[in-house]
Amino acid sequence: QKEVEQDPGPLSVPEGAIVSLNCTYSNSAFQYFMWYRQYSRKGPELLMYTYSSGNKEDGRFTAQVDKSSKYISLFIRDSQPSDSATYLCAMKRSNNNDMRFGAGTRLTVKP
Amino acid sequence: NAGVTQTPKFRVLKTGQSMTLLCAQDMNHEYMYWYRQDPGMGLRLIHYSVGEGTTAKGEVPDGYNVSRLKKQNFLLGLESAAPSQTSVYFCASSYTTTGELFFGEGSRLTVL
Repeated sequence: QKEVEQDPGPLSVPEGAIVSLNCTYSNSAFQYFMWYRQYSRKGPELLMYTYSSGNKEDGRFTAQVDKSSKYISLFIRDSQPSDSATYLCAMKRSNNNDMRFGAGTRLTVKP
Repeated sequence: NAGVTQTPKFRVLKTGQSMTLLCAQDMNHEYMYWYRQDPGMGLRLIHYSVGEGTTAKGEVPDGYNVSRLKKQNFLLGLESAAPSQTSVYFCASSYTTTGELFFGEGSRLTVL
């Protein structure tokens, strides 16, 4: 079983839809949770960064962490065609340099 | 502002050949990393460095070696390439161990 599980999709939604992306994990020691966005043939870029449990909002993006359920989510409101990319969840323990990534979910937002 | 630069961007090797991937960052970051990305597997850490002259193994280090002789450069070497090393390789750097990772654009390696 992978330490971080993420549904690879693909996920296709119409423009303006609310998108929900999710990851589950097995290691309760993870403290830092991130979402990266990766456009085709590019490197990943940080989208959201959360420490421990709770919610964080940045514009149209909201990240949620539920450590009791070992479950993290990324919500995208009013999705745009420019949001079409692969979204990678990532997490790491304190004082540890090995960040673990999900396999990524490919999202397409159709105009 | 270049950020993280990887060379080469594409390379085709024959089984048994050797090669080196070069990563350069201009952000004065202490931490540097080499990941490989394979379909369905996500990004997996190969080796990393916490400062000039130091390196450490990650999740999938076998078949690779690294060196960090200068703070801004991190080299990934394959001594005897195998088809299982066909992948996209990403270099990343960060200011702190818990900070944001800044990635390069990737190096696509095919081993025949």
